[in-house]
Amino acid sequence: TQLLEQSPQFLSIQEGENLTVYCNSSSVFSSLQWYRQEPGEGPVLLVTVVTGGEVKKLKRLTFQFGDARKDSSLHITAAQPGDTGLYLCAGCTGTASKLTFGTGTRLQVTL
Amino acid sequence: DVKVTQSSRYLVKRTGEKVFLECVQDMDHENMFWYRQDPGLGLRLIYFSYDVKMKEKGDIPEGYSVSREKKERFSLILESASTNQTSMYLCASRDRGGTDTQYFGPGTRLTVL
Repeated sequence: TQLLEQSPQFLSIQEGENLTVYCNSSSVFSSLQWYRQEPGEGPVLLVTVVTGGEVKKLKRLTFQFGDARKDSSLHITAAQPGDTGLYLCAGCTGTASKLTFGTGTRLQVTL
Repeated sequence: DVKVTQSSRYLVKRTGEKVFLECVQDMDHENMFWYRQDPGLGLRLIYFSYDVKMKEKGDIPEGYSVSREKKERFSLILESASTNQTSMYLCASRDRGGTDTQYFGPGTRLTVL
């Protein structure tokens, strides 16, 4: 089974701070997705990155796919309380597009 | 908007009971998935289905079975519930279009006593 390790596991920061979440694997993925999950809800897709070295921006969120397509990072600039949630990376392999999910990073942003 | 619904948000069952978790999607997606979510382990795939009456084991199928008789409905069955199956269960359906997105239901928190 492929593993995706996320770090840190927990992050508690104040509004306005910047942060980076890492997603690492020894396996190569054809694409990588980032999801956010809020309490009581299922995960919701934020972005998909496909090409090694690709950088995608979604407002204050910047996603990067590693050159070798084994790792990814999520950077949040000027975090807000609305960013609070569980962030999950998910690597995609094979024709069935099965996803291997990371261990998750729980982010808490306080005023 | 895609909607994935799960039959129960919370469920409490006793050891040895047969448990059915139901999932329905309204977007005519061929692919559907069942995951369990545990702290520090992320989401782990139990079973998935390519299409009606087709199923394939995921990473942790032991103790579970599934049924897909209609395209919109994917059921997860715990034949004889055990305490180590206490978990959050998430169903998803997949859009095979450009974004390859999986759409998740709100989850069922199952407690087995």
